[in-house]
Amino acid sequence: GQQLNQSPQSMFIQEGEDVSMNCTSSSIFNTWLWYKQDPGEGPVLLIALYKAGELTSNGRLTAQFGITRKDSFLNISASIPSDVGIYFCAGGNYGQNFVFGPGTRLSVLP
Amino acid sequence: DTGVSQDPRHKITKRGQNVTFRCDPISEHNRLYWYRQTLGQGPEFLTYFQNEAQLEKSRLLSDRFSAERPKGSFSTLEIQRTEQGDSAMYLCASSRTLSQETQYFGPGTRLLVL
Repeated sequence: GQQLNQSPQSMFIQEGEDVSMNCTSSSIFNTWLWYKQDPGEGPVLLIALYKAGELTSNGRLTAQFGITRKDSFLNISASIPSDVGIYFCAGGNYGQNFVFGPGTRLSVLP
Repeated sequence: DTGVSQDPRHKITKRGQNVTFRCDPISEHNRLYWYRQTLGQGPEFLTYFQNEAQLEKSRLLSDRFSAERPKGSFSTLEIQRTEQGDSAMYLCASSRTLSQETQYFGPGTRLLVL
């Protein structure tokens, strides 16, 4: 079945640093979604990508839809303490359910 | 736009009991999804509805699990004869049928089976 890999699995950064994480798949997707999840809560949508090569920003967050359609990247600039959480990518194709990665756990040190 | 809501937020039950969870999607969304999430993992797809029709079920959805969406609005997920392995967060998400689909999640129901 389809599987997504996320890298890194976890990361510890200093407040103010930039963060990069990625998501890769063995399958092609035509939609990539990025979510953030806080403990005990449901995932919150951050960015949606629908076209290969697309670069989309949401405040300090920027995500890109990889050219091969098998990967996606999320960058966070100037991290702050509230960025702490687990970041999930999800890949999907029209008419099919989404597949989620295992997540990247982000810790921000003051 | 009130977002996706789920009830209850937490449920503790004894092994062998039946439990039922409810999900109310965003009002204009015709698709509704159920996922299960265990610690350290991403959400795993269980089943989804388009309006009142259940269109797909995962192999994860054993015979003890049943989901309904009788009027194409809210949905229920029932687990019969719960087992300790059923302990997880059960997430509901909704979306509109579009070529550019985006799913919005509820807060989840955390189930603990003792």
